[in-house]
Amino acid sequence: GAGVSQSPSNKVTEKGKDVELRCDPISGHTALYWYRQRLGQGLEFLIYFQGNSAPDKSGLPSDRFSAERTGESVSTLTIQRTQQEDSAVYLCASSLFYGTDTQYFGPGTRLTVL
Amino acid sequence: QKEVEQDPGPLSVPEGAIVSLNCTYSNSAFQYFMWYRQYSRKGPELLMYTYSSGNKEDGRFTAQVDKSSKYISLFIRDSQPSDSATYLCAIWGAQKLVFGQGTRLTINP
Repeated sequence: GAGVSQSPSNKVTEKGKDVELRCDPISGHTALYWYRQRLGQGLEFLIYFQGNSAPDKSGLPSDRFSAERTGESVSTLTIQRTQQEDSAVYLCASSLFYGTDTQYFGPGTRLTVL
Repeated sequence: QKEVEQDPGPLSVPEGAIVSLNCTYSNSAFQYFMWYRQYSRKGPELLMYTYSSGNKEDGRFTAQVDKSSKYISLFIRDSQPSDSATYLCAIWGAQKLVFGQGTRLTINP
């Protein structure tokens, strides 16, 4: 079956512009996660959604970052007024339920802020 | 102190060698331990999962957990060039998955 998909695969933007990243989770997965991976670094948790519950935004690095999810489907991560330090790969994962269920990752969106 | 520490390498070994990858963690309340493999320009994929101290084997891979030392390991036997990837340890704790930095591994034919 289809895995997690993300778009765009690459995004180059100028400092100060807004960007929107999209994630399509595996159908039927109630939990969705966003991570950031800087070059040569591990994954940094940003936010998760579980069903219709309020998202856990505790990992968002600043108020320039926001995310939405429509029901149990598509999610978008928006970064406003991008900065050079936002350059990273943004990974999305989904799991059947929130918790220790296996997280399946998408290929990521590589964001470069010039 | 980071919650999960992992030697970033890089690590380069000849084909057929035994590889040992390690992580330490700081919170004794952490319960679930995972290893992910990430090929270049791909998302991580779960390799192994365990929640108890001791060893868990899956083919050429063995995951080892020592909760008393807060130390986890992944062993790869008879390593193959196709094992070349970044290996990330991940621990479920504080209501989220906390990742190590990842170790970049190259198996040379």
